[in-house]
Amino acid sequence: EDKVVQSPLSLVVHEGDTVTLNCSYEVTNFRSLLWYKQEKKAPTFLFMLTSSGIEKKSGRLSSILDKKELFSILNITATQTGDSAVYLCAANSGGSNYKLTFGKGTLLTVNP
Amino acid sequence: SQTIHQWPATLVQPVGSPLSLECTVEGTSNPNLYWYRQAAGRGLQLLFYSVGIGQISSEVPQNLSASRPQDRQFILSSKKLLLSDSGFYLCAWSLSALSNEQFFGPGTRLTVL
Repeated sequence: EDKVVQSPLSLVVHEGDTVTLNCSYEVTNFRSLLWYKQEKKAPTFLFMLTSSGIEKKSGRLSSILDKKELFSILNITATQTGDSAVYLCAANSGGSNYKLTFGKGTLLTVNP
Repeated sequence: SQTIHQWPATLVQPVGSPLSLECTVEGTSNPNLYWYRQAAGRGLQLLFYSVGIGQISSEVPQNLSASRPQDRQFILSSKKLLLSDSGFYLCAWSLSALSNEQFFGPGTRLTVL
């Protein structure tokens, strides 16, 4: 059975801190790993990673994939209160239907 | 550009009543469509996916069913709701063959009393 595990489940930091969110996966026919940010409603797409060791960056957020060790990390530097959200990691398990297996998410709270 | 709509945004239904949630996508053709449920633990559970009109695959046995009567329309239904059907229902779409990035609709929060 495909599985994605995120840690920590929740995290409270102060503005300006740097955080690292973890995601490990076990899926058959792995194709890619995706990160989403979910505030109040729908998850919004952050990154899609397909190759090991290549960092993807968007502003203060960055992510990298390790296909040998089957994990990914999401880094957020200089956190702001607007970064408070649930961060979801999902692994695509191949095939033609592009099914995603999601982790339970990490609830990040950034206090002023 | 592509947009995805879901309605209603919120719904409160009694146990045993029927359910129909609708999802439509604009700006793309032949998308893959997905229904997820997100319960209190925050994880997204894939319920159904569809690669074309009339083609539905179910991921978990449950009290729900899905239909795709048109290319860009995906419907989630139940004949009799259970308390355990409460949750946040998300519809998503992806391009059929070029990308496995999924884009989510605004969701429907269902409370079964």
